[in-house]
Amino acid sequence: DGGITQSPKYLFRKEGQNVTLSCEQNLNHDAMYWYRQDPGQGLRLIYYSQIVNDFQKGDIAEGYSVSREKKESFPLTVTSAQKNPTAFYLCASSLGAGQGTDNEQFFGPGTRLTVL
Amino acid sequence: QQQVKQSPQSLIVQKGGIPIINCAYENTAFDYFPWYQQFPGKGPALLIAIRPDVSEKKEGRFTISFNKSAKQFSLHIMDSQPGDSATYFCAAKVRYSSASKIIFGSGTRLSIRP
Repeated sequence: DGGITQSPKYLFRKEGQNVTLSCEQNLNHDAMYWYRQDPGQGLRLIYYSQIVNDFQKGDIAEGYSVSREKKESFPLTVTSAQKNPTAFYLCASSLGAGQGTDNEQFFGPGTRLTVL
Repeated sequence: QQQVKQSPQSLIVQKGGIPIINCAYENTAFDYFPWYQQFPGKGPALLIAIRPDVSEKKEGRFTISFNKSAKQFSLHIMDSQPGDSATYFCAAKVRYSSASKIIFGSGTRLSIRP
């Protein structure tokens, strides 16, 4: 059963703590993405990765870090430097960015992060 | 200009009505325009998409109308049902040298009343 999984579904963090959100895909997609969604706003790109061991900053990368050691996995760390981390975080993947495809992105179910 | 402007922010329609969501863009380098549907607590899912060389595309009850000269596109939902109640995002894709990026509109929260 192919798809994208994100864990945990809900995450609570105390101020000053780093937390890591998991994203795994078994679609054999090359590209993976992290978005942040806030109420009344569209999705904003945090980081994206086109290939293993490579990633680029999106529009709102400050306070976040990522790694791409495996094709299937693209974890996102929300650091204590992120001033307003409470949000809904969405991971997505696509067949390949810039490979002559429509780059359709498939989304995971999301992780809701709340800072206490 | 990398923005995609979407309106309205929210929309309430009676069952059977035809909600219309509008989007506008500036960047002529956009080459693909998808619409996503998102239910509460879930990730967005691709609903329908269009390329700029086509003026209209229909899939079931969903239709995209595209006006390239005006740089506008819209989503129409025919015979709307309460199950269509969701947030809808328009988006646009731009291709760089070896990558591409999708820019999302701000979303429209649609409610279909029984």
